Amino acid sequence: NAGVMQNPRHLVRRRGQEARLRCSPMKGHSHVYWYRQLPEEGLKFMVYLQKENIIDESGMPKERFSAEFPKEGPSILRIQQVVRGDSAAYFCASSPPQREGEETQYFGPGTRLLVL
Amino acid sequence: QKEVEQDPGPLSVPEGAIVSLNCTYSNSAFQYFMWYRQYSRKGPELLMYTYSSGNKEDGRFTAQVDKSSKYISLFIRDSQPSDSATYLCAMSARLRGAQKLVFGQGTRLTINP
Repeated sequence: NAGVMQNPRHLVRRRGQEARLRCSPMKGHSHVYWYRQLPEEGLKFMVYLQKENIIDESGMPKERFSAEFPKEGPSILRIQQVVRGDSAAYFCASSPPQREGEETQYFGPGTRLLVL
Repeated sequence: QKEVEQDPGPLSVPEGAIVSLNCTYSNSAFQYFMWYRQYSRKGPELLMYTYSSGNKEDGRFTAQVDKSSKYISLFIRDSQPSDSATYLCAMSARLRGAQKLVFGQGTRLTINP
């Protein structure tokens, strides 16, 4: 039973380029969350998605960042015109349908983005 | 004031010691409490999940929640060098079906052989 998968594991971009991060949730999970971890800081919530729906994007920066979870395929976190401050580890988590007692989220290995 | 406060450490203890890790929080709406372990350059791994006040035990790990004091703890008994990692507390409140987790900063723990 494969866990949450993320790719690429490492991504290097120059300022102004686009970064695309992909996440495949665990089998049977229909909820995807994206978090960002800056150096020496805890994880910060960015966005929560279900298939074809953005449920909560209150943690997403207003510009340059977008996320999707299409009917088929992985969830994508897209960062346009990257800046050095975007350098961080980006983690995806998934969870099963939200029922009481099943709120736990399982994390992928992360994508480490470095902007030069 | 941060919603979740966690001492970042670092914390260094000898092998076999009992480790106590703590978090405090300010949002009384938090209902679900979790502890994650994160090894260097890896993703967080779920260790413990609790819903109500009280204790929950799993092997060498005990999670404790005191909602009246807004205080949670993780105890590690008979600590091993392999327990060396960063420990993150996390909590959430169900809102419109969303369960976004709010994390503490993480405590870096080293168990010395």
